[in-house]
Amino acid sequence: NAGVTQTPKFQVLKTGQSMTLQCAQDMNHNSMYWYRQDPGMGLRLIYYSASEGTTDKGEVPNGYNVSRLNKREFSLRLESAAPSQTSVYFCASSRQGIYEQYFGPGTRLTVT
Amino acid sequence: AQTVTQSQPEMSVQEAETVTLSCTYDTSESDYYLFWYKQPPSRQMILVIRQEAYKQQNATENRFSVNFQKAAKSFSLKISDSQLGDAAMYFCVNQGGSEKLVFGKGTKLTVNP
Repeated sequence: NAGVTQTPKFQVLKTGQSMTLQCAQDMNHNSMYWYRQDPGMGLRLIYYSASEGTTDKGEVPNGYNVSRLNKREFSLRLESAAPSQTSVYFCASSRQGIYEQYFGPGTRLTVT
Repeated sequence: AQTVTQSQPEMSVQEAETVTLSCTYDTSESDYYLFWYKQPPSRQMILVIRQEAYKQQNATENRFSVNFQKAAKSFSLKISDSQLGDAAMYFCVNQGGSEKLVFGKGTKLTVNP
C-alpha cells in the first residue's frame, strides 16, 4: 500500500499561472482533505470531501478549487497563483467520521 | 469555534530523559477526539497518539503517553526515554463533530545527545 501520494513534490510558479496538485489514496477511505502549512503555523484546512461527489470549504478556501474525481483521487487547483499561496500543501484521507487522518508527503509550492 | 493552543514554541530534552509538551483546547462539542501528530524534518505528518474524549483513561503508546484533563481542557504529551529520532515538530490536534481537524501552532522538540 502506498497510502496517500501527492504530485508534484515541488513546484515553482509565476504570479498568475495556474496548476493542479494531485492526490490519490489506496486505503479505500471515503473522506479526503487539502491543507496548507505556512511557517510557524499548524495545518489549515482548505477544502475537504466527505465522500465521492461532495466537497466543502474549509478555513481558507479563497483562490482554490477542488475536484473529487473518484473515491481515490482529490485534486486542488490554483487558477491564478498569487505569492500569498506560497506554502506547503498536504493531502490527507480518513475513514468517514471521526478517525485519524493519514497524510501525504506534501507539495512545496513557491509563487514568485 | 474550536481552538488549540500550544504555549511552548520550542522545547529541548536530553537523550533518555522525559519531556512533557503542553496543549489546551476549546470546543463546544461533547464528542471529540484529540491527537498528537509529529512532523520530522522529512515533512511527513505522523500520528503519535489519539484520545477519545469520552474515555477517562489516558492513552499510552509505548514511550508516549498523554495526560487528558477534560474539565480543564488540557491534553499534554509525555515522551519518556527520549531518543534522537523524537526530534520533530509536534502538533496538538482537535477533531470535533465534523471531520475537520484543528491544529495548534506546534512545538519544536530538540533532543540533545
